[in-house]
Amino acid sequence: EVQLVESGGGLVQPGRSLRLSCTASGFTFGDYAMSWVRQAPGKGLEWVGFIRSKAYGGTTEYAASVKGRFTISRDDSKSIAYLQMNSLKTEDTAVYYCTRGWPVEYWGQGTLVTVSS
Amino acid sequence: DIQMTQSPSSLSASVGDRVTITCRASQGIRNDLGWYQQKPGKAPKRLIYAASSLQSGVPSRFSGSGSGTEFTLTISSLQPEDFATYYCLQHNSYPHTFGPGTKVDIK
Repeated sequence: EVQLVESGGGLVQPGRSLRLSCTASGFTFGDYAMSWVRQAPGKGLEWVGFIRSKAYGGTTEYAASVKGRFTISRDDSKSIAYLQMNSLKTEDTAVYYCTRGWPVEYWGQGTLVTVSS
Repeated sequence: DIQMTQSPSSLSASVGDRVTITCRASQGIRNDLGWYQQKPGKAPKRLIYAASSLQSGVPSRFSGSGSGTEFTLTISSLQPEDFATYYCLQHNSYPHTFGPGTKVDIK
């Protein structure tokens, strides 16, 4: 069974950094692209970014709203995807979902990030 | 960036009704579109991929159609567990973009 478990969310002040982790199980992690999607409270879904599998270069793509501030990486030996978030803004407050596949197929349960002073 | 619109933004329907949701892309995206269902407090779940292919395990009352710029999700006979918000997602080009969602609630 595919499982994706996000961790690392919490309350952080504007301008600070936070790193989210997504621990995967139930499939060969290295074979799949991984994405992050977020959802602000009471709002719709927003695609954040994506990392290709190593077979496709392991390169990344980002939404304009986070480009230059957020970085997605992966550790295939540990089956973990990361979302490094720097220079956080109040508008980054959201539930962050880790997802598998291109296009998005399976979803984790999400982790809440609150950016507030 | 490709903009996605959905109509209607919300609808009220009864159990057994046929429901159709439309998603439009600002430019052609071939069939690079999926449909997702989200219930309150839960993660989304994929229903349809490649515009018209049913995700494994999803009931056959869900179907998708379309290509290019106009797509539809149809629920042939609405069931109580189908009351949720539905989103389309294009993956034809970066950034991938979601539609704003369609909330289906009980009439």
